[in-house]
Parts: sequence; C-alpha cells; structure tokens
Amino acid sequence: NAGVTQTPKFQVLKTGQSMTLQCAQDMNHNSMYWYRQDPGMGLRLIYYSASEGTTDKGEVPNGYNVSRLNKREFSLRLESAAPSQTSVYFCASRGGTGGQESNTEAFFGQGTRLTVV
Amino acid sequence: KNEVEQSPQNLTAQEGEFITINCSYSVGISALHWLQQHPGGGIVSLFMLSSGKKKHGRLIATINIQEKHSSLHITASHPRDSAVYICAVRAHRGSQGNLIFGKGTKLSVKP
Repeated sequence: NAGVTQTPKFQVLKTGQSMTLQCAQDMNHNSMYWYRQDPGMGLRLIYYSASEGTTDKGEVPNGYNVSRLNKREFSLRLESAAPSQTSVYFCASRGGTGGQESNTEAFFGQGTRLTVV
Repeated sequence: KNEVEQSPQNLTAQEGEFITINCSYSVGISALHWLQQHPGGGIVSLFMLSSGKKKHGRLIATINIQEKHSSLHITASHPRDSAVYICAVRAHRGSQGNLIFGKGTKLSVKP
C-alpha cells in the first residue's frame, strides 16, 4: 500500500554538487510528475512523463534532467546544484492515458526537502 | 494574475467552527482538486470534482463551473484539521494531466 515513494526525504548539497531524487509508484500509473514548492508560490511543474520512455519539460525545467526508467520509476537529477534550487520537491503520479488523466486522482510522494548551500 | 486564486491565504478558527475556503480560476477546466498538506508532510488528495458537490466525513467540496469557483467546507472543525489546503485545476489546454495549483490556504484550528 505504498503509493508514491520518494527518496531521500532530506538532503543538503554544496553548490555545484550533483544528486538524483528517486521516485517510484506501485499503482501502475502512466503519468508521473516532478514539482517544486517554494514559499508563497503554488507547486510548479518541472518535468513530466506521460508514459514509459517519454518525458517533457514543464514550467521550470532549467537545471534539471529526468529519466523515466520504467513504468514505476521517474527520477529527477540536478547536475550542478545552485542555491536557487533550494526547495521542496514532490513527485506525483496519475492513471489514465490519452487525455483521460483528467478523470483520475493525483497521488503525491512525501516530498524531498533540498537545501543547496 | 494567477490562474488559480485561493482565499483566504491564512485562516484561524476556533474548534467547532464551520470553515470555508474559496478557489477561483480563470481557465477552462476538466477537473478541480482539493489537496491537504500537513506541516512537514506530504500532499494528500481530498477531492476531485468536475461538477456539483462531494462529501467525505466533515469535508464538503462544491464547484460552480459557470462561475469558475469552488469551495471547500469543513464542518465542526478540529485542531487536527490544521493544514494547508491547496486547490488545483486540470486545464483544458496543456497536456498530460498537469495541474495548475493555487498558493494554498493555511488553516489553524485552535482548541
């Protein structure tokens, strides 16, 4: 009954370091998303994946890369971390395909609190 | 102007009070979500609706598509309801089920 699992929960990086945030879902969902949440702002989409093997940029993709390794897993990579990437990151997934995602609930991970110093 | 606006931004209530949180949006939508985020915690989906009204326990969500407005009501509020409540819409435009989020309403219920 895990739903969406994100790791790690907390991370501190130095400027210029790299890291990968992991996300896995066990609900057989097609669509997966990475968001960032900053104070005073709504969640903003970084990247999404409509299905295994496809990824697309969202609203704020600069400085990030993603990999949809298989249907379950969608990872977010910071190649060279910057203080502006200090944020809380959420992975989410939804079922449905071909526009049917509108009829399905979104499930979120517990979040990763990342600080870049 | 944000496409999804919530009001109020902050709300303090006494235990037992009836609470209303509002969400207005400016785009055509296929669905609206209400989400709950506890301090330090993840985000949980409360409701997804595209018309009318839904009820779950003490929570009620309504939507008026013509007026582009939704409300989340909490009856007999309790301190454990303290959280940030987020409205999000699935717009007709855009792709792949992406949601547009409001900034959230921080609710604090005092005993």
